[in-house]
Amino acid sequence: DGGITQSPKYLFRKEGQNVTLSCEQNLNHDAMYWYRQDPGQGLRLIYYSQIVNDFQKGDIAEGYSVSREKKESFPLTVTSAQKNPTAFYLCASSIIAGGRDTQYFGPGTRLTVL
Amino acid sequence: SQKIEQNSEALNIQEGKTATLTCNYTNYSPAYLQWYRQDPGRGPVFLLLIRENEKEKRKERLKVTFDTTLKQSLFHITASQPADSATYLCALDLTYKYIFGTGTRLKVLA
Repeated sequence: DGGITQSPKYLFRKEGQNVTLSCEQNLNHDAMYWYRQDPGQGLRLIYYSQIVNDFQKGDIAEGYSVSREKKESFPLTVTSAQKNPTAFYLCASSIIAGGRDTQYFGPGTRLTVL
Repeated sequence: SQKIEQNSEALNIQEGKTATLTCNYTNYSPAYLQWYRQDPGRGPVFLLLIRENEKEKRKERLKVTFDTTLKQSLFHITASQPADSATYLCALDLTYKYIFGTGTRLKVLA
């Protein structure tokens, strides 16, 4: 089955720790995205990547980092610099960057800082 | 400032009626607009895409309109069913990235 997988589904982190969220896709999509969703708010873009070895900051990149070493993988690291990391994190991909295309979302990772 | 607003946080309607959800935006000029459905604790799922030169798009019981003059999109679900209960998100396609609205939580009452 083609799709996007995110792991883990639930993640708990102690304050001051970095944590990495996994996102893998086997859809052969060029573009990948990370969003954060808080209760009562829409999806906010953290980082996006149009092609391997290239990525851009979204609207709320502070305290986060990403890498895109392989087409199918786009991990997100939540660093200790992120002031309020507890949220629902969603990874998505699309065939190409530049719109005109739907986004396919993973099941999400719910991160809780203890 | 740039923003996207979806008409209400929650909308309750009776089964069989038509649900109408609104997406308004300011200071953007998207070439495309998309609608997604999101169930609790899950990722959004794509429903429909409409282009700026299209006035209306249909898919089964779903209909989307896009008025670039009013900067508004309407999303209709006809003959609504309890299974249509979910949060619906509009998204502006801004070339290389998407901007999402806050969503409308629809509840269809049996």
